[in-house]
Amino acid sequence: GAVVSQHPSWVICKSGTSVKIECRSLDFQATTMFWYRQFPKQSLMLMATSNEGSKATYEQGVEKDKFLINHASLTLSTLTVTSAHPEDSSFYICSARDATSGGDEQYFGPGTRLTVT
Amino acid sequence: GENVEQHPSTLSVQEGDSAVIKCTYSDSASNYFPWYKQELGKRPQLIIDIRSNVGEKKDQRIAVTLNKTAKHFSLHITETQPEDSAVYFCAAGGGADGLTFGKGTHLIIQP
Repeated sequence: GAVVSQHPSWVICKSGTSVKIECRSLDFQATTMFWYRQFPKQSLMLMATSNEGSKATYEQGVEKDKFLINHASLTLSTLTVTSAHPEDSSFYICSARDATSGGDEQYFGPGTRLTVT
Repeated sequence: GENVEQHPSTLSVQEGDSAVIKCTYSDSASNYFPWYKQELGKRPQLIIDIRSNVGEKKDQRIAVTLNKTAKHFSLHITETQPEDSAVYFCAAGGGADGLTFGKGTHLIIQP
């Protein structure tokens, strides 16, 4: 149980275009999903917290107009990187929390490798 | 916000010896402290976690200790094996909050 998927697993796009990444909880309802970014040989950094049916909460320094997050259902959150630039190339990982279980554990997706050329 | 410091950044131990990784956190409101193992290009894998109402937790060769007063927690791996080689991250958070991760420790098990 507690499986989270991400799509796509990797994507290459040209500078200036937008890319959408999907995060799905496959066997549980995720009232809260989190988006992290990880640059090579660095740690995971929280970008934003996404709550179903409400606006996402962004961490300091993360541009909300550049990283659009939508959490329209209890099993799906999307991250859209708008007007992507080479410096946005990174490993994007989502996680989901099963709030109904009362636990704190976050279940991570497999990540999406974004390369902007 | 929360700030998590992790040490050492690299740890090399002989196979069979123990490894200890230490983390400190700053926000006394954090109540959940997971440890993850991450292999290159893969998602973080939860190996053990502890909540603030517990001082120690053990799962076979892996143990975590938490000193809530001092705001530090540690990962202990005994009888290390080659497959333990990876990058390990500590994190702090809990509830509806996202996790703040340490910078990671590259654990190398020498045969």
